[in-house]
Amino acid sequence: KQEVTQIPAALSVPEGENLVLNCSFTDSAIYNLQWFRQDPGKGLTSLLLIQSSQREQTSGRLNASLDKSSGRSTLYIAASQPGDSATYLCAVRSNYQLIWGAGTKLIIKP
Amino acid sequence: NAGVMQNPRHLVRRRGQEARLRCSPMKGHSHVYWYRQLPEEGLKFMVYLQKENIIDESGMPKERFSAEFPKEGPSILRIQQVVRGDSAAYFCASSPLQLGDNEQFFGPGTRLTVL
Repeated sequence: KQEVTQIPAALSVPEGENLVLNCSFTDSAIYNLQWFRQDPGKGLTSLLLIQSSQREQTSGRLNASLDKSSGRSTLYIAASQPGDSATYLCAVRSNYQLIWGAGTKLIIKP
Repeated sequence: NAGVMQNPRHLVRRRGQEARLRCSPMKGHSHVYWYRQLPEEGLKFMVYLQKENIIDESGMPKERFSAEFPKEGPSILRIQQVVRGDSAAYFCASSPLQLGDNEQFFGPGTRLTVL
């Protein structure tokens, strides 16, 4: 049974710092992995999608990596800004379901 | 090309009433997925539907919940005799094909509050 874990559960850093969010999964047989952002009481914003054959994806200040063999993904955020404050969710696609981590709540202090 | 649409965005029901949540997939998408996010919890898969077919409802509670995706019109998630524990955000996603590498595109969600 696929399980997804995100560490840390919460993170608070000063503005301008680079940071890394971690996601691990127990079954390496995945189709893809996706990172989302969710603001309080809001919907889901897709940030990056990494197919199982890929190692990383980049979008602006965000870079996501995938190591299927070790069951890990990282989301790197460069030069963090207060507007980056949100909960970041990792989801892996096993078959047709997305299996979700519990999220990392990120606070960027001005 | 409009994204996935869900309505209503907010729904308030009293215990014992029925809740109907609607999801219109992106144009050209024939696969719909429903997920539920309970307060302070992660998202959980509920059901996967294709037009006129329920493919997998393994995540649906056994009672009071049902889903459909008719040939014409939106997908409907129906909750009968709602209880306070049904209060959650319900998200719908769609994809063009079942293939595993296809991205699922999400709607804005419906937030159900049961009084």
